[in-house]
Amino acid sequence: DGGITQSPKYLFRKEGQNVTLSCEQNLNHDAMYWYRQDPGQGLRLIYYSQIVNDFQKGDIAEGYSVSREKKESFPLTVTSAQKNPTAFYLCASTAPTGFYQPQHFGDGTRLSIL
Amino acid sequence: DAKTTQPNSMESNEEEPVHLPCNHSTISGTDYIHWYRQLPSQGPEYVIHGLTSNVNNRMASLAIAEDRKSSTLILHRATLRDAAVYYCTHSSGTYKYIFGTGTRLKVLA
Repeated sequence: DGGITQSPKYLFRKEGQNVTLSCEQNLNHDAMYWYRQDPGQGLRLIYYSQIVNDFQKGDIAEGYSVSREKKESFPLTVTSAQKNPTAFYLCASTAPTGFYQPQHFGDGTRLSIL
Repeated sequence: DAKTTQPNSMESNEEEPVHLPCNHSTISGTDYIHWYRQLPSQGPEYVIHGLTSNVNNRMASLAIAEDRKSSTLILHRATLRDAAVYYCTHSSGTYKYIFGTGTRLKVLA
């Protein structure tokens, strides 16, 4: 079955450490997204990518970095510059035919500070 | 700033209809409205979307106001499995989506 796979499901970060969250999709979607979700909050956009080798900052990009070297993969790195990284991180993708298409989401990675 | 607002929570009795409202104060003419729902520790699941006219699918109905500044997700007969957080969103002229803060729906048996 096609879908989005996020790994790991749980991740712990030490002070001063960079960690990378994986997102892989086999839906042949061009556009991919990373969102951050805090308890009781909605989804806030971190980065998005419309096509390979191109990505744009969302509303809360500071302290995060991404790459898009392959269509299927859009990893997110939470750097040590992100001082409050504890949150639920969601990856999503959209079909290439336009932004009227719904987003498909992975099941998320929960990041905590050690 | 682009904005989408929803009530924090709503309750419904099982087997009764539920109307979940959303205000899209900054929506533009070509932005589609989407609704998703999310269970604890899972990613959001697509429910329905539309542009101008009302839409129906097997999960729900979507009513869109004539000025498109508001929409309502309608669950015709709520079940216990419909208890979730429901998010409305609209695209923001590009591939960027503006999410509301979500409505937590509680279904009473």
